[in-house]
Amino acid sequence: DAGVIQSPRHEVTEMGQEVTLRCKPISGHDYLFWYRQTMMRGLELLIYFNNNVPIDDSGMPEDRFSAKMPNASFSTLKIQPSEPRDSAVYFCASSIGTSGSNEQFFGPGTRLTVL
Amino acid sequence: QKEVEQNSGPLSVPEGAIASLNCTYSDRGSQSFFWYRQYSGKSPELIMFIYSNGDKEDGRFTAQLNKASQYVSLLIRDSQPSDSATYLCAVNPSNQFYFGTGTSLTVIP
Repeated sequence: DAGVIQSPRHEVTEMGQEVTLRCKPISGHDYLFWYRQTMMRGLELLIYFNNNVPIDDSGMPEDRFSAKMPNASFSTLKIQPSEPRDSAVYFCASSIGTSGSNEQFFGPGTRLTVL
Repeated sequence: QKEVEQNSGPLSVPEGAIASLNCTYSDRGSQSFFWYRQYSGKSPELIMFIYSNGDKEDGRFTAQLNKASQYVSLLIRDSQPSDSATYLCAVNPSNQFYFGTGTSLTVIP
């Protein structure tokens, strides 16, 4: 398996623009997670899905952020409008379950820079 | 108060020594505890998880959990330069996932 796939790997945009990050989880994994990592705040869970349904979005910072999972093999995280404080590395991860023995596998991340 | 607290380091140890990484958490309902390793510019990868009080060993790595003190640690024996990375502690209360900001470890040859 190719692992979790994310695109783009790098994104540079200007403040106010819409940004869409994409993720393809590992086949057979029922859970998909979106994280944001910054030096100051570390790795933060934004939202996660189970069988394409959003379970907990309490980590989504504000209404400018939205996430969808239209099918088992694809998810998007959208920021509209983007702001410089959104600059971070965004990781997608997937797992079979959420108990400890079910490891979360992380994608390579998307490094977002908002100018 | 943050859900998970780690000393950001940097922690430096000589090659062959024991590296000790520590983590405290605030939610007493947490059931699962994880250690991830993250190399610079890479994504986190799971090293170990632990549920029960006490020690869990896997090769050169030992995770220690003390729920009464809300404390989890990771020991790395015979540290190697390849262990140089940031180590993230994570806890899993009520199907949430909280990560610490990580401890940077450098193993000096």
